[in-house]
Amino acid sequence: DAKTTQPPSMDCAEGRAANLPCNHSTISGNEYVYWYRQIHSQGPQYIIHGLKNNETNEMASLIITEDRKSSTLILPHATLRDTAVYYCISTGTASKLTFGTGTRLQVTL
Amino acid sequence: NAGVTQTPKFRVLKTGQSMTLLCAQDMNHEYMYWYRQDPGMGLRLIHYSVGEGTTAKGEVPDGYNVSRLKKQNFLLGLESAAPSQTSVYFCASSYEAEARSHRNEQFFGPGTRLTVL
Repeated sequence: DAKTTQPPSMDCAEGRAANLPCNHSTISGNEYVYWYRQIHSQGPQYIIHGLKNNETNEMASLIITEDRKSSTLILPHATLRDTAVYYCISTGTASKLTFGTGTRLQVTL
Repeated sequence: NAGVTQTPKFRVLKTGQSMTLLCAQDMNHEYMYWYRQDPGMGLRLIHYSVGEGTTAKGEVPDGYNVSRLKKQNFLLGLESAAPSQTSVYFCASSYEAEARSHRNEQFFGPGTRLTVL
């Protein structure tokens, strides 16, 4: 699986869009990009995943660059409840997820 | 639906003791997983199962054994606990595991906090 690189921390004002970047420059053609988040010490929660097309669901949008070497997770209107550690994972099989240290997003008033 | 439940929530063991962590899911998922999370780190896969009666090794399987005798349950055993196994253990399950599937999201339990003295 391709290694991913994320900034260790980010801040975002409540109500604004949170844009979380992820670099996966060694991603191979059959690997998907997954995003999970972990709020405080709870179990991680699935957010979204995609291959090459942009994806959107009720939680977030995933923008993958044309060369697939990087992606951005967008939380359109961040709230305090979105404060969490966000993990970007690149894998060819959803049964073997490798969680790095992620990005700690702090949403502030 | 209770989702994924884990028993116990907390446990303190002495070095050399054994214990079993129980994970149960009521979503009829085929796939189940055990992860550990050390302080300040991401989760690491210990073992997983692709269906009743099957198990497979993950990234850090040493010192652990697992069993999946029933589809809804996945047990993680520590035969002789060591301080290095102090961690938070998460169980997860998913309906499918194909990356292209839209039913492959993993649902996680609340975790078991284990301390080995």
